[in-house]
Order: sequence, then structure tokens, then C-alpha cells
Amino acid sequence: DTEVTQTPKHLVMGMTNKKSLKCEQHMGHRAMYWYKQKAKKPPELMFVYSYEKLSINESVPSRFSPECPNSSLLNLHLHALQPEDSALYLCASSQVGLADTSGYNEQFFGPGTRLTVL
Amino acid sequence: KNQVEQSPQSLIILEGKNCTLQCNYTVSPFSNLRWYKQDTGRGPVSLTIMTFSENTKSNGRYTATLDADTKQSSLHITASQLSDSASYICVVSYRGSTLGRLYFGRGTQLTVWP
Repeated sequence: DTEVTQTPKHLVMGMTNKKSLKCEQHMGHRAMYWYKQKAKKPPELMFVYSYEKLSINESVPSRFSPECPNSSLLNLHLHALQPEDSALYLCASSQVGLADTSGYNEQFFGPGTRLTVL
Repeated sequence: KNQVEQSPQSLIILEGKNCTLQCNYTVSPFSNLRWYKQDTGRGPVSLTIMTFSENTKSNGRYTATLDADTKQSSLHITASQLSDSASYICVVSYRGSTLGRLYFGRGTQLTVWP
């Protein structure tokens, strides 16, 4: 299995809702990533998990809460979002953890979740 | 400052024609460069990946080149098809990265017309 899957594909939520995005991979990758991508812009890194531990938080607002229950799963919990948080949220995974310094850690991306905040 | 610049920003070609997309980067020390294809509303899909020692790599109708001295890369698409319409993103990572960071270009939006 060489896929990264994400659910749901689309999500519409109000500013007072609580929702979660899910990401799963079965490639044995030990690093997983969340990106936010606005239209016509490159993806922006939000969080990185390495060996199920949060390694990078790119100063993301606390209304986004990541969780890595195990090496195959990555969640992004959403609460009290703003309309400007509407974007495509991409999950990615890579074969090597952050201890690798070769840089040759190709990231495999999921199809994304299109989030709309009303 | 580590940056990745792509040109053109957008491109329209007729089906069956060839095209070349450009990528210039300042990421150093360089590890590898990837070209991704991203359909609207979908995740990026890797087309090619090249390390410092590689100067050309093909994947079907896609051929990528890399000049590590001038820090330039190109992606050549031959015999374009309607399904090639997408954003093509140049992504560079640097040796010594302990952060899993990638440097993304803004992409070239390719439209293939029948």
C-alpha cells in the first residue's frame, strides 16, 4: 500500500463547531506532516510528527490541535475556526524520521481535505 | 535565504504540443529536487526526484533536468494531453535538514487546450 488517505474529502463547519481531519498511511513511515494550502499558493507546513511525537509546530494557532495516536494515524482537531482557515489541508508522510539529515526524505501526500469555515 | 522560484506563473498550450517549465533555487546545501503535479483540489503527486549527481531523469512524457552549478531545473512535457492541465510544483530539500522541511515553489499553472 503506497497511499496516504485522508478523510473527509470535504468539510463545511461553522465557527463554533468541533471537527477532526484524519490521515492514514500503511507504508511504515515514521514521520507525518500537516500542511495548509490556500488557492494558488504553495503548501505551508503546520506540524510534523516524528515517531509519534510532535517535533515541529510552525506557530499554528491553538484552534488547530494535532494528534498522532500511532505510527499510521494522524489527526487534526479543529475548534472555533475562522473563515480565513478555509483551505485545502494536506497530510504527508515520509520514510525517515527527523533524525535523518540526508534530506532524502521524500514526502508522499494525501489527496487533501477541502475545509470551508462559514 | 532559501528560495524556490518558478516560471512562467501560468502557461497555455495546445494539445499535442511540448512545453518546458523552469525552476531556480537558492537552497543550500542542496540535497534533492522534486517536481510534483497537483490537480486542483488534490494533493501533489511526485513526478521526478533528482539528487546532486543526477542531471536528467524521465518519467514517461516528463523529463526533468538539473544543473546543480547554476541551481536551475526544468521540466519538459512532450506531446501534451488534456490531462496534463494542472499545477506543476518544484520542491527542494537541503542536506542537513533535521526538520523535514521542503521548500516549495509557487508552481506553474499549465492549461492544455484541445
